Amino acid sequence: KAGVTQTPRYLIKTRGQQVTLSCSPISGHRSVSWYQQTPGQGLQFLFEYFSETQRNKGNFPGRFSGRQFSNSRSEMNVSTLELGDSALYLCASSLRQGGYGYTFGSGTRLTVV
Amino acid sequence: DQQVKQNSPSLSVQEGRISILNCDYTNSMFDYFLWYKKYPAEGPTFLISISSIKDKNEDGRFTVFLNKSAKHLSLHIVPSQPGDSAVYFCAASGNYGGSQGNLIFGKGTKLSVKP
Repeated sequence: KAGVTQTPRYLIKTRGQQVTLSCSPISGHRSVSWYQQTPGQGLQFLFEYFSETQRNKGNFPGRFSGRQFSNSRSEMNVSTLELGDSALYLCASSLRQGGYGYTFGSGTRLTVV
Repeated sequence: DQQVKQNSPSLSVQEGRISILNCDYTNSMFDYFLWYKKYPAEGPTFLISISSIKDKNEDGRFTVFLNKSAKHLSLHIVPSQPGDSAVYFCAASGNYGGSQGNLIFGKGTKLSVKP
């Protein structure tokens, strides 16, 4: 079966712009979680969506937002980009909430210049 | 405050020997622990997990040990192979108020297995 698909794979944006990243989960998976990976910081939890509702949110500013559609696809938006937002953004899907059975996508590498 | 800590950023091991990766946690509400492996330019892939009701779980060359009193878990890889060279992340999850929370990850340990 198809894995978790994240688009685009690479993105370069200018400080102050906004960006939207997309995640298509494994078919049948209703939970989608987003993580930010930066050098030396590991994976930091952004938010989790389940059945179109945000169930959990990490400690990130309001510039980071997301949503989930009825087909479980999810988008993540970052407004007013800062240099520090440069990171690998990873999406993970699972059948149920809470981190069980996560399958990760390959990520979107965002560079802010 | 880091709830899941991997204090060794890197580890180098000879092929055929044992690799031991360590992880400490601070939150006693964690009841489910996992290890993920990550190659460059790829997402993390699930390796092995352990529930807090167990102290050991084995899957082929990989064994995870959990010491709840010390809030410590470790991943043993025996024998280590060059293809095991990757970054390994420890992760934990807990049941807060009746619902399972998200995964909390450590910062990772880069394992290099030398031929």
